[in-house]
Amino acid sequence: DAGITQSPRHKVTETGTPVTLRCHQTENHRYMYWYRQDPGHGLRLIHYSYGVKDTDKGEVSDGYSVSRSKTEDFLLTLESATSSQTSVYFCAISAGQYPTGANVLTFGAGSRLTVL
Amino acid sequence: AQSVTQLGSHVSVSEGALVLLRCNYSSSVPPYLFWYVQYPNQGLQLLLKYTTGATLVKGINGFEAEFKKSETSFHLTKPSAHMSDAAEYFCAVIHSGGSNYKLTFGKGTLLTVNP
Repeated sequence: DAGITQSPRHKVTETGTPVTLRCHQTENHRYMYWYRQDPGHGLRLIHYSYGVKDTDKGEVSDGYSVSRSKTEDFLLTLESATSSQTSVYFCAISAGQYPTGANVLTFGAGSRLTVL
Repeated sequence: AQSVTQLGSHVSVSEGALVLLRCNYSSSVPPYLFWYVQYPNQGLQLLLKYTTGATLVKGINGFEAEFKKSETSFHLTKPSAHMSDAAEYFCAVIHSGGSNYKLTFGKGTLLTVNP
């Protein structure tokens, strides 16, 4: 997971509280992604960013917002956490667009969120 | 929209046996295909990828995969399983979201290696 740091790594919170997960990269990559991983669903894209202040929705974006004010940081916010958002969240980065050889995803170690 | 189907959520093999993890995709354009591996409590690591060129792709740790357009498949194989191969494996395909590309992942196959 060199070059990508996710924080916090573990968090337990209550329903209705706001939660922010942070992804920090030192690779100066343009693209950053947030995925969630749930048993039986694999990884599903929540939001992604293709530059500072440039973001777009993924397939499961409801209930989540993101921000990217600097190249190195990509924040995922749950405005009002629900139990269905209990999951493991992964940040990923890539240097650029597919399909050139350099543009593959590198993943962080994950953030495990439990919403009670 | 492109999708990925991994056949078998759990595969169990004996140490030294052939590993075969199946992946089929749907695509209306030439696909770009990937296999990732996830060890317990870790993020995903790239095993191998197919973009263009040779259809037999070799990856790390002795794994390889063959792109078969006629079968829309990209199965992952390893001739002889090691205990250290026990992990979850994800197949993924590129799809285009407007001007940006995103990976779509299969649901994963958990590989168990028995001594």
